Amino acid sequence: GNSVTQMEGPVTLSEEAFLTINCTYTATGYPSLFWYVQYPGEGLQLLLKATKADDKGSNKGFEATYRKETTSFHLEKGSVQVSDSAVYFCALSETFGRMNTGFQKLVFGTGTRLLVSP
Amino acid sequence: GAVVSQHPSRVICKSGTSVKIECRSLDFQATTMFWYRQFPKQSLMLMATSNEGSKATYEQGVEKDKFLINHASLTLSTLTVTSAHPEDSSFYICSTGLAGRDNEQFFGPGTRLTVL
Repeated sequence: GNSVTQMEGPVTLSEEAFLTINCTYTATGYPSLFWYVQYPGEGLQLLLKATKADDKGSNKGFEATYRKETTSFHLEKGSVQVSDSAVYFCALSETFGRMNTGFQKLVFGTGTRLLVSP
Repeated sequence: GAVVSQHPSRVICKSGTSVKIECRSLDFQATTMFWYRQFPKQSLMLMATSNEGSKATYEQGVEKDKFLINHASLTLSTLTVTSAHPEDSSFYICSTGLAGRDNEQFFGPGTRLTVL
């Protein structure tokens, strides 16, 4: 079945450092790819997404490129801030088999905790 | 974005009791809600898809008689863990989507269940 693998954390960085969080996936077909972020005490929020190969998703200085040849969707940011400290989840969407609700099921990675110190 | 709330945020119960978790969409109508379960240091695992006015669709391996889902209105879905046991202790998260938002899901903050 479909799966998502992301690097284990925690990732500990100093402010203004460069961030990479690796994510690779296994999927049949052509899934959409997502990065969600969970700040302490809050629900998951969509950070960025890409719906087809070579698409680049970007938001709040974060970027990720849908690489079909390497089945990857690595998250990057050039200069992290303390406020970026959170847990980051890579996910892919897969189509419902039995129901057409307009929404697709999400398959998540295990999450990577990022800790940024001043 | 859309706001989804969950109640309670954490609950501790004795083995054998039932626990109800509520998931509400605060500023929009949600015809579809999803229930996930997350174990420590593991992925979110989809348990079931809840549709307003109809029966929930459960993922393979999820006991529908143990995890009762009711989606009686467009703003409320409930998950009841019946006859809870320590192995049911977990973090339960609901989400929903908005039509036209290209499969983006909006998540509640989660409920931590501890069964003693």
